[in-house]
Amino acid sequence: KQEVTQIPAALSVPEGENLVLNCSFTDSAIYNLQWFRQDPGKGLTSLLLIQSSQREQTSGRLNASLDKSSGRSTLYIAASQPGDSATYLCAVTFNDMRFGAGTRLTVKP
Amino acid sequence: DAGITQSPRHKVTETGTPVTLRCHQTENHRYMYWYRQDPGHGLRLIHYSYGVKDTDKGEVSDGYSVSRSKTEDFLLTLESATSSQTSVYFCAISESTQAYEQYFGPGTRLTVT
Repeated sequence: KQEVTQIPAALSVPEGENLVLNCSFTDSAIYNLQWFRQDPGKGLTSLLLIQSSQREQTSGRLNASLDKSSGRSTLYIAASQPGDSATYLCAVTFNDMRFGAGTRLTVKP
Repeated sequence: DAGITQSPRHKVTETGTPVTLRCHQTENHRYMYWYRQDPGHGLRLIHYSYGVKDTDKGEVSDGYSVSRSKTEDFLLTLESATSSQTSVYFCAISESTQAYEQYFGPGTRLTVT
């Protein structure tokens, strides 16, 4: 059974810092990995989708990497801003989509 | 934003009553999904649909049923609600196969008293 783990569960950083969020999964047989952002009381917003054949994807200040063989992905956020405060979720897809429990990020002004 | 709406957005109901949640999409995507989100568990798949009248179970399907009579609508029914079904329910859609990106609705907060 695929299990997805995100560490740390919560993270607080000062504005302007570069930071890394981690995601690990137990079964390397995946179609893709997706990173989402969730604001309190809201739905999920897709940030980046990495196909299993890809190593990384970039969107603005966000960069996500995928190492399928080791079962790891990282989400790199450059020059963090208070508006980046949210919960970040990763999910892997094969027969279905399995989610991690998320990392709650707080960026302090 | 993908055109996905969920109704109702909030509902309080009593144990033993039936409840139906609706997901409506305007994207004409083939796949639709129902998830529940609970603290400490992340999101878990309840049921999904891969076409009109074509549905299958997910990880936590017990106590739930679904129906899809039109491409744009996917209904989730709790036949007899229990307190353990208190949760936030999310609908999602994807364009083609399960390997495609998923887009999520705003969620329905259900409380069973």
